Amino acid sequence: QSALTQPASVSGSPGQSITISCTGTSSDIGGYIYVSWYQQYPGKAPKLIIFDVSSRPSGVSRRISGSKSGNTASLTISGLQAEDEADYYCSSYSSGTTLVVFGGGTKLTVL
Amino acid sequence: HLQLQESGPGLLRPSETLSLTCTVSGDSITSGDFYWGWIRQPPGKGLEWIGNIYYGGSTYDNPSLKSRATLSVDTSKNQLSLKVKSVTAADSAVYYCARLGLEPTDWHFDIWGRGTLVTVSS
Repeated sequence: QSALTQPASVSGSPGQSITISCTGTSSDIGGYIYVSWYQQYPGKAPKLIIFDVSSRPSGVSRRISGSKSGNTASLTISGLQAEDEADYYCSSYSSGTTLVVFGGGTKLTVL
Repeated sequence: HLQLQESGPGLLRPSETLSLTCTVSGDSITSGDFYWGWIRQPPGKGLEWIGNIYYGGSTYDNPSLKSRATLSVDTSKNQLSLKVKSVTAADSAVYYCARLGLEPTDWHFDIWGRGTLVTVSS
């Protein structure tokens, strides 16, 4: 069981926007701004797409954005494209015994 | 540019010790600006953090592995190493090495290796 809770799947049509939630506790997401998101295609390594809640690494599409409210972080992808179909994982620094925690992952399907 | 490449045995028997190496190219692990981490992903499942190490030897690991994991660095070879003892089928996974920042505030994994699959089976 993952420390952070994500929906198993979300879907959307091309051009639409989707949001993936990631719920933790005050020991991780709620207590810090150190939330990151990763995109993973089948058979490939994860790729960092958001860090520090809402910062994008160089080269990541501006259609991808992150936010946080309380113990829940969110990843939003606007103008959905076929290439966005992938698995998405959230992660956070934690003050608990496990210093880095991940969500269970969300499969995004572009209809 | 920076590249990470994991290598390992592929197949292990239960109770054996898993030994993996991550070769870093394009920069020195002794540059001092980064920690280096290990993450694993069982087939069809999510990511699990194993631990982080600094070239100077400082390490942090996941208590869920119950001290079975040992992280080390070989600065002469610019390599990281991971050993997991007494493996079981539950340790079967793709193992990744990755780079992360120096401070916990920068502990996001920005560069990843391609991963290496480890299967534990009798």
